[in-house]
Amino acid sequence: ETGVTQTPRHLVMGMTNKKSLKCEQHLGHNAMYWYKQSAKKPLELMFVYSLEERVENNSVPSRFSPECPNSSHLFLHLHTLQPEDSALYLCASSRGTSGTDTQYFGPGTRLTVL
Amino acid sequence: GQNIDQPTEMTATEGAIVQINCTYQTSGFNGLFWYQQHAGEAPTFLSYNVLDGLEEKGRFSSFLSRSKGYSYLLLKELQMKDSASYLCAVRGPNDYKLSFGAGTTVTVRA
Repeated sequence: ETGVTQTPRHLVMGMTNKKSLKCEQHLGHNAMYWYKQSAKKPLELMFVYSLEERVENNSVPSRFSPECPNSSHLFLHLHTLQPEDSALYLCASSRGTSGTDTQYFGPGTRLTVL
Repeated sequence: GQNIDQPTEMTATEGAIVQINCTYQTSGFNGLFWYQQHAGEAPTFLSYNVLDGLEEKGRFSSFLSRSKGYSYLLLKELQMKDSASYLCAVRGPNDYKLSFGAGTTVTVRA
């Protein structure tokens, strides 16, 4: 247990569906992240929020829409996805975004787009 | 851009030592992390190096040479539970930005 939880753990959706991924951290951290992990590829940073403000949007297609209502919760809204978006989506949090702050990861949501 | 290289797979025997190398070419360097990821689970933090030298933490040690753009993770007295993927990640140019290698899958055999 890292103190970061993600739901659902597995999701299968069609290309026309709309779904949301949820992340919650219980560590009192101020920064939260979304990463995409595809098979045999490096983790790709998608979005970064610090104190509920987005500080990084790493050229992610608009069919992925993040939301950070407070420092403990992070959502990733999905719509009209493509099969190549199938991957493990990992959430992480850190105390801050500077110095030696370590990122702690959740277990991920395994997404399959049909 | 960031370029981080590590071997894809390594196999070792229980009780042995394995060294996982990581080389990087990055625009900006603010530290290097190692994470362990078991299949289907979250990456978990192992070590952090920002200065040159060796950091030892139990059976795991991590080394950094900034001038060579090189790090290694040393796993001693291997146990079956050490079978996992090991991820090298470099922080920079911004402190919140981690760039990851593709990971090294270590298989420990009896």
